[in-house]
Parts: sequence; C-alpha cells; structure tokens
Amino acid sequence: SQELEQSPQSLIVQEGKNLTINCTSSKTLYGLYWYKQKYGEGLIFLMMLQKGGEEKSHEKITAKLDEKKQQSSLHITASQPSHAGIYLCGADPTGNQFYFGTGTSLTVIP
Amino acid sequence: KAGVTQTPRYLIKTRGQQVTLSCSPISGHRSVSWYQQTPGQGLQFLFEYFSETQRNKGNFPGRFSGRQFSNSRSEMNVSTLELGDSALYLCASSLEYRDANEQFFGPGTRLTVL
Repeated sequence: SQELEQSPQSLIVQEGKNLTINCTSSKTLYGLYWYKQKYGEGLIFLMMLQKGGEEKSHEKITAKLDEKKQQSSLHITASQPSHAGIYLCGADPTGNQFYFGTGTSLTVIP
Repeated sequence: KAGVTQTPRYLIKTRGQQVTLSCSPISGHRSVSWYQQTPGQGLQFLFEYFSETQRNKGNFPGRFSGRQFSNSRSEMNVSTLELGDSALYLCASSLEYRDANEQFFGPGTRLTVL
C-alpha cells in the first residue's frame, strides 16, 4: 500500500497555464517535502512544509500543507518548459523511514 | 562544495550475478540513505546508514545489503540479481541522522539486469 498518493499521475499543459499537484497521506503528516526529478536523474529539493496551514513559495511554485486533510498541494503558476519533470512528495509519517509519493509526471508544451 | 557522487552511473549485469554500487556523500555529511526507483513501484527506501551503522531498513529481501565506511562513503550490494532489480538506485546524504530537510541526492546508478 502506498503511504503517499499523488494526483494526477501525469499532466500535459500548455506553456503559460497554471497547474496543481496533490499529495495525500494515509497517516498523520508532521512534515512534507516536495522534490523535482528530471527524467532518470537525481532529486532536487524544492521545499519543506512543517506546520498545518503553512504555505511556501519559490519562484512560480507554491506549496501548501493541510494537516487536517493530511494533504499537500503544489501549484505552479504560468508554467514553463523548464518546469517539466517528475514531482514527488515525501514524508516520514511513521518515524521509521522516509516515503515518497507515487509521483506526477509534468509535460509542458511550448 | 562537491555534491553527492555515485559510481558507476550505468551498469549492465546478468541474472544471478552480484553488483556493488558506491555513494560518496557531501563532505561532512554523516548519513547516507539508499533508494530504489522503478516504474512500477516508484521510489522506495532501502536503508539508511549513520556513523557506519545501519539505522533503518526498508522492505527489501536480504539480497540487498549495504555498509558505510569511516569516511561516510557507502556501498550497497545486491546478490543473485533478478530481472526485477533493474532500477535507478539513488543515494542521498545529509548532515545528521534522519535529517530529511537537508537530504541531497546523487545522480543515481542505472542498473539493468538481463
């Protein structure tokens, strides 16, 4: 079973469009991380959310954490081809090991 | 400062063989975690080493093992390779144990088992 489910599984958007990726945990979240991976490469840390209601932004990417819903969302404004890749959420809900979400593949069409 | 390095970057083996992958963490980092990424299972935690001791282990068979040296470099070994072991193996280093906030990933080793 997956501890962290992401939706959608894949996204194809036109350049300039906004998009949202969701990450839902089956367990209580005490912190959630977002990463980006270019195909076949390592992960790049984007941001970490620690408190319920926390919202962080970096350039055109905003992430929010809703502890009550055990969910986080990642929103990209005015998408660009450089945003393409796989987005992964991650957390350590059990305190024993780090889990990654199922991943969302993003394609941005110029 | 140099990032996390993994060697080799690509590897092709046949079923039944064994393989050793290497990970050099960022200088000063003492924790190294290993992950396996496959299209079917996604990114899964293998194990974490800190100060030469395995601190956590994921749900993988005993064919998967690892170790960490006094200089924090880590190796993972897979014995009796199976086709399903074909994957991208990623390692990540952090300054302290279970410090996901500062977890830096290497580029990965792509293992293909024929």
